Amino acid sequence: IAGITQAPTSQILAAGRRMTLRCTQDMRHNAMYWYRQDLGLGLRLIHYSNTAGTTGKGEVPDGYSVSRANTDDFPLTLASAVPSQTSVYFCASSKDRLNTEAFFGQGTRLTVV
Amino acid sequence: SQQGEEDPQALSIQEGENATMNCSYKTSINNLQWYRQNSGRGLVHLILIRSNEREKHSGRLRVTLDTSKKSSSLLITASRAADTASYFCATETGRRALTFGSGTRLQVQP
Repeated sequence: IAGITQAPTSQILAAGRRMTLRCTQDMRHNAMYWYRQDLGLGLRLIHYSNTAGTTGKGEVPDGYSVSRANTDDFPLTLASAVPSQTSVYFCASSKDRLNTEAFFGQGTRLTVV
Repeated sequence: SQQGEEDPQALSIQEGENATMNCSYKTSINNLQWYRQNSGRGLVHLILIRSNEREKHSGRLRVTLDTSKKSSSLLITASRAADTASYFCATETGRRALTFGSGTRLQVQP
């Protein structure tokens, strides 16, 4: 079944550790996104990529980095995790950046202790 | 800052009733989209309305858009218990990516 796969589904991480959240889509979508969802704050954009080889900063990029080496994969890395990065992380993709719907993964629940 | 803000934050209705959720936004948009999120799951796209459209229907869903007031509404008719979820509006402005509001939690009592 076509869609977006995120891994892991949940993780408890010690503060200061490095962590990469994986995201893969098989729909050949050009654009991909990372959001974090916190209670009462909705979804906030961390980083985005309009096409393979390009990335951009979203609303809350500090402490996170991304890469887009190919069309299908868009990993999100926390270089040195802090408790404020405890959140649910969603990866999404869309055919193009404009005027198309976004498809979301099931999320990664990350707890930084 | 939030581009879209939903109202109300929470809504509880009986099965069979209609549910109306509102969304206000701040800047000019290309389109506005509504998404649904079941507890603990990813968001699912419901409907997209472009800035030059005023109303759109999809099954039991009716979306309106008033660009002069920078607002949109989502109406779910004849609600079912399975409609219980959080509903988010998202705006596309041509910059970066969709900007989401904080959502409306809908509870449909059987």
